[in-house]
Amino acid sequence: GDSVTQMEGPVTLSEEAFLTINCTYTATGYPSLFWYVQYPGEGLQLLLKATKADDKGSNKGFEATYRKETTSFHLEKGSVQVSDSAVYFCALENTGTASKLTFGTGTRLQVTL
Amino acid sequence: GAVVSQHPSWVICKSGTSVKIECRSLDFQATTMFWYRQFPKQSLMLMATSNEGSKATYEQGVEKDKFLINHASLTLSTLTVTSAHPEDSSFYICSVLRGSPYEQYFGPGTRLTVT
Repeated sequence: GDSVTQMEGPVTLSEEAFLTINCTYTATGYPSLFWYVQYPGEGLQLLLKATKADDKGSNKGFEATYRKETTSFHLEKGSVQVSDSAVYFCALENTGTASKLTFGTGTRLQVTL
Repeated sequence: GAVVSQHPSWVICKSGTSVKIECRSLDFQATTMFWYRQFPKQSLMLMATSNEGSKATYEQGVEKDKFLINHASLTLSTLTVTSAHPEDSSFYICSVLRGSPYEQYFGPGTRLTVT
């Protein structure tokens, strides 16, 4: 079945550091890939997505490129801020699954001054 | 602002009792909602798809008689954990399917503790 593996956290960075959170997936067919962010006390919010190979999703300075050859969708940001502290979830939606999402375990990011 | 609310945000109940969790779509009439369960340091696991006016579709391994889902209106779905036991303690999250293309909007979650 479909699965998503993402790096374990927590990840602790200083403000303005470069961020990478790794995400790899296993799926048949051609899934869409997502990154969701969950801030403390709030629901998951869609951060970015990519629907086909080589697509790059971007939002709020975050980027991720759909790499079919390596089945990866790593999340990057060039300069993190304290306000980026949250839990980040990688997810996939496979075709023909009626919009069902398969999630990774989440990675907690803590950004300090 | 939030488009999906859940109530309560945190509930403690005794073993053997039942507890109901509400999921409301605040600004959209949703024909489809999803219920997820999240254990500490684990991913969200889809429990069931809630369809307005029809029976919910449960994922494999989820007991439909234990986790009763009712989607009686286009803005409200409820999850009732019947005869709760400590192993049912978890974080329950709902989402609403909306938009074109479709996108899931998530509620803030409900933490259930069964003592």
